[in-house]
Amino acid sequence: EVQLVESGGDLVQPGGSLRLSCASSGFSFSEYEMNWVRQAPGKGLEWISHISSVDTTVYYADSVEGRFTIFRDTATSSLHLQMNSLRAEDTAVYYCVRGSHCVYGNCFRRDFDLWGQGTLVTVSS
Amino acid sequence: IQMTQSPSPLSASVGDRVTITCQASQDVTNSVNWYQQKPGKAPQLLIFDVSNSAAGVPSRFSGGGSGTDFTLTIAGLQPEDIATYYCQQSVDLPFTFGPGTKVDFK
Repeated sequence: EVQLVESGGDLVQPGGSLRLSCASSGFSFSEYEMNWVRQAPGKGLEWISHISSVDTTVYYADSVEGRFTIFRDTATSSLHLQMNSLRAEDTAVYYCVRGSHCVYGNCFRRDFDLWGQGTLVTVSS
Repeated sequence: IQMTQSPSPLSASVGDRVTITCQASQDVTNSVNWYQQKPGKAPQLLIFDVSNSAAGVPSRFSGGGSGTDFTLTIAGLQPEDIATYYCQQSVDLPFTFGPGTKVDFK
């Protein structure tokens, strides 16, 4: 089955750290760009990070730049998000999301066609 | 690139033709996508690249537009269409979303 399954969400104190993981299955993980999108309680969707498939180039939203690190493990077909210096405003459901399909340096489509179920991160004392 | 949506919320009746508009702050060519999110669930892709339906999406959903102005139309609202709809631009990072349009019944 083609799917993404997140894990690692938890209650953490402000200033703390957390690592989210996303296990993929049913598709060639190494051929896809990947993203993290979050949704604060009762709010809309916020894209926060992207990693390419070929050269692992990374991008971050200004709101998390310098605090979050996205990385991927091709051997285990998994995506991760290391979150440091967490703030109350980072409280959200975090979604692992599949992006462009890239083959031989050519990428096709840039929409988000596969989403995980989400994992809840709560930052509170 | 900023994305705005209207109206929000949107109240309609079963069978109504419903149109949601999305405006980009600059030309995003044909790189606009639409997502549906039902309460407590992850978003799902509805439409990609303005007017292409994702797999399994009912034919009553259609997208249109170009440049900076885009629409999502539901031709005959069904009870299972009650959800929040988001547009997104994917021409350039950051891939920004609109604020969402919540669709409910009158």
